[in-house]
Amino acid sequence: GESVGLHLPTLSVQEGDNSIINCAYSNSASDYFIWYKQESGKGPQFIIDIRSNMDKRQGQRVTVLLNKTVKHLSLQIAATQPGDSAVYFCAEKSVLTGGGNKLTFGTGTQLKVEL
Amino acid sequence: NAGVTQTPKFQVLKTGQSMTLQCAQDMNHNSMYWYRQDPGMGLRLIYYSASEGTTDKGEVPNGYNVSRLNKREFSLRLESAAPSQTSVYFCASSDGVQPLAKNIQYFGAGTRLSVL
Repeated sequence: GESVGLHLPTLSVQEGDNSIINCAYSNSASDYFIWYKQESGKGPQFIIDIRSNMDKRQGQRVTVLLNKTVKHLSLQIAATQPGDSAVYFCAEKSVLTGGGNKLTFGTGTQLKVEL
Repeated sequence: NAGVTQTPKFQVLKTGQSMTLQCAQDMNHNSMYWYRQDPGMGLRLIYYSASEGTTDKGEVPNGYNVSRLNKREFSLRLESAAPSQTSVYFCASSDGVQPLAKNIQYFGAGTRLSVL
């Protein structure tokens, strides 16, 4: 079955450094991926998405890279700030039998920003 | 614009008690979802409603029922709570219905449920 996993459960970075969070997926037919950020005590918040016909997409301080050959997704955060401390989830889209779409989430990576 | 609103935020139940978690969205979204989040297991889909008037099971539906009351509201009911249902529950909504549509889901703040 499909699965979405993460290489590192916890990532610690110094403030101002760049962060890279990785994600592996197993369903080669997935055509859409999302990164979410979840702060303590809050619900997941959309950060950035990418379709499978793209290799790279940039947002404000964030970049998502997609390597379909090895089924790997990464989130890069530039100049990491204390407010970036959170759990980051990748998710892949698939079609539900009852109609609509669903997201399959990875287990998450805890990003800790050290001052 | 409130987005997705969940009530209550916290709840403690005794084994065997029942309760309903409420969820409402004001984004005119077609699809709504209920997830549970347990430590180290990410988010798992309990039930979903692709559009008003339809509901379907997700990955972990046992012990739960849902009602899509109207386009805005989607409730989750625990008929006889068990300790295994201790978790954080999230409601989400999205506008994507067609297979090629994006599925950006917007989440509520969650309900933290403890079953003793």
